[in-house]
Amino acid sequence: DAGVIQSPRHEVTEMGQEVTLRCKPISGHDYLFWYRQTMMRGLELLIYFNNNVPIDDSGMPEDRFSAKMPNASFSTLKIQPSEPRDSAVYFCASSPPGQAHYGYTFGSGTRLTVV
Amino acid sequence: QKEVEQNSGPLSVPEGAIASLNCTYSDRGSQSFFWYRQYSGKSPELIMSIYSNGDKEDGRFTAQLNKASQYVSLLIRDSQPSDSATYLCAVKASGGSYIPTFGRGTSLIVHP
Repeated sequence: DAGVIQSPRHEVTEMGQEVTLRCKPISGHDYLFWYRQTMMRGLELLIYFNNNVPIDDSGMPEDRFSAKMPNASFSTLKIQPSEPRDSAVYFCASSPPGQAHYGYTFGSGTRLTVV
Repeated sequence: QKEVEQNSGPLSVPEGAIASLNCTYSDRGSQSFFWYRQYSGKSPELIMSIYSNGDKEDGRFTAQLNKASQYVSLLIRDSQPSDSATYLCAVKASGGSYIPTFGRGTSLIVHP
């Protein structure tokens, strides 16, 4: 089991540029979550999917953020245009079916720096 | 607003001591409770889950849950420098919401 795979590990971009973060969940997991972690705000849920369908995107900070899950093995989080305040570590996590009693498996994260 | 509160620390304990990490939550309907360990620069890693009142032991780790008082704790026996990390408490409510609320974490430092 390769775990949850995220890419890239680090991303440095200039303000105004488009950023795309990628995630491959664990095979068989039907829940996928995108989190953002900062020192100031801790771990924040941005959006989550169940069976590739977005269930709750109320945590997405603004319209500059969008997420897709075209199939069970791939998801993207896009920021367009990026701003310095988007600098954070972005984690993807997945959870198996019947996940009310399971914890998450997190990916290694993408450290985003917007300059 | 569901809240999960943790003392940010740092909690400093000597090697070999018992480290006690505490977490309180506001939602009385909470059903599932988790402890994650996060090393600096790494992702959170699930180390314990607990669902019923009482204690649950796994090696050097013991999770304690008291739903009446709305707190959950994590005890680490024989603390090692390798236990130095931030410990995140996460709480899931009942009623169809499967999304946990995370606390801000407690930083633990185990010094030799």
